[in-house]
Amino acid sequence: DTGVSQNPRHKITKRGQNVTFRCDPISEHNRLYWYRQTLGQGPEFLTYFQNEAQLEKSRLLSDRFSAERPKGSFSTLEIQRTEQGDSAMYLCASSVVREETQYFGPGTRLLVL
Amino acid sequence: DQQVKQNSPSLSVQEGRISILNCDYTNSMFDYFLWYKKYPAEGPTFLISISSIKDKNEDGRFTVFLNKSAKHLSLHIVPSQPGDSAVYFCAASDFPDDKIIFGKGTRLHILP
Repeated sequence: DTGVSQNPRHKITKRGQNVTFRCDPISEHNRLYWYRQTLGQGPEFLTYFQNEAQLEKSRLLSDRFSAERPKGSFSTLEIQRTEQGDSAMYLCASSVVREETQYFGPGTRLLVL
Repeated sequence: DQQVKQNSPSLSVQEGRISILNCDYTNSMFDYFLWYKKYPAEGPTFLISISSIKDKNEDGRFTVFLNKSAKHLSLHIVPSQPGDSAVYFCAASDFPDDKIIFGKGTRLHILP
């Protein structure tokens, strides 16, 4: 097992553009989580899925953000009309139901100019 | 409103000595507590966890202590090694597979 993977690792975009990130969880992990980390802060929860169902969304996840996990495997996080405040590290994690350990990917660093 | 607090932004410890990282929480509903380690440009790596029914959990050089009445936990690293230099995040959740609430982290420097 190669762990959680995320693509791309880095993304630079101009304000107003749309971006999409992908996360491939550890196989057989049915829970998938998205977090965002800004400088000097710990990761902050955005949303999570159990299989293909999105179970919870944070109030941090504005209408410009949408996440999907169409077949219960990989997930995508799309940000529409990016703003400079969206610049952050976007982290994906996966876990097994009823186990507390979440395993994180390397993250996607987004810079909005 | 920060539910998980790490009040020391940084800590320097001599190689071979004990490193003690502290964490306080405010939400009494938290039942699971975790420590993650993070190197620059990498995602957090799980270190050790403890559930609220225990007061101590040990894994090699790492021991986590939980004081529920004080809403306080600590991570002990003995002996400290150069590779331990990283940012350590304390984290907590209500349920074993629920969202995790993280502290702001403590940067640990192991001095030669």
